[in-house]
Amino acid sequence: TQLLEQSPQFLSIQEGENLTVYCNSSSVFSSLQWYRQEPGEGPVLLVTVVTGGEVKKLKRLTFQFGDARKDSSLHITAAQTGDTGLYLCAGDSGGNKLVFGAGTILRVKS
Amino acid sequence: KAGVTQTPRYLIKTRGQQVTLSCSPISGHRSVSWYQQTPGQGLQFLFEYFSETQRNKGNFPGRFSGRQFSNSRSEMNVSTLELGDSALYLCASSWVTVGSGANVLTFGAGSRLTVL
Repeated sequence: TQLLEQSPQFLSIQEGENLTVYCNSSSVFSSLQWYRQEPGEGPVLLVTVVTGGEVKKLKRLTFQFGDARKDSSLHITAAQTGDTGLYLCAGDSGGNKLVFGAGTILRVKS
Repeated sequence: KAGVTQTPRYLIKTRGQQVTLSCSPISGHRSVSWYQQTPGQGLQFLFEYFSETQRNKGNFPGRFSGRQFSNSRSEMNVSTLELGDSALYLCASSWVTVGSGANVLTFGAGSRLTVL
């Protein structure tokens, strides 16, 4: 069974601070995706990383895929209150079956 | 273009009843997947349909079933509801077929089921 361990579970920070969320597995995934989910809504895709060692930037968000394609990280620079939400990593297990991490609840305080 | 539409958004049922949830994918998307989201277990894969065929199934009991119609719309059914079935049920559609690259899923807002 493929599992994704996501850490930390909760993160409460002040606006302007930096943070990193980690996603680790003992399994290799063909790709890994990061989603953000707000209350009452479905997850919204932020990025997909496919190649080992790949780094993608989306404004203040930086995503990295480990060389062995077993782990990933999400780094947010200068967090804003609008970044508040549930961040989920998901590994592609094939056949549109995603294995999700438990999620990181991020709260950015003004 | 319209996103993934799920109906109903909220519903309350009692133990032993059954429920049917509907999902209309993005136009042109032929794959529809279903996930269950609970505070304790997070998001868990239920099943995936492509061209009216179930291609993949998660580890859920047979009370959970689904189907896909020729227009790619999908329904999932849960029979003999239990308290533990209370959850947000999410549908996601995709245009990427198996083996052609990273699968990009677009999720609907979900159907929140409460079982009393």
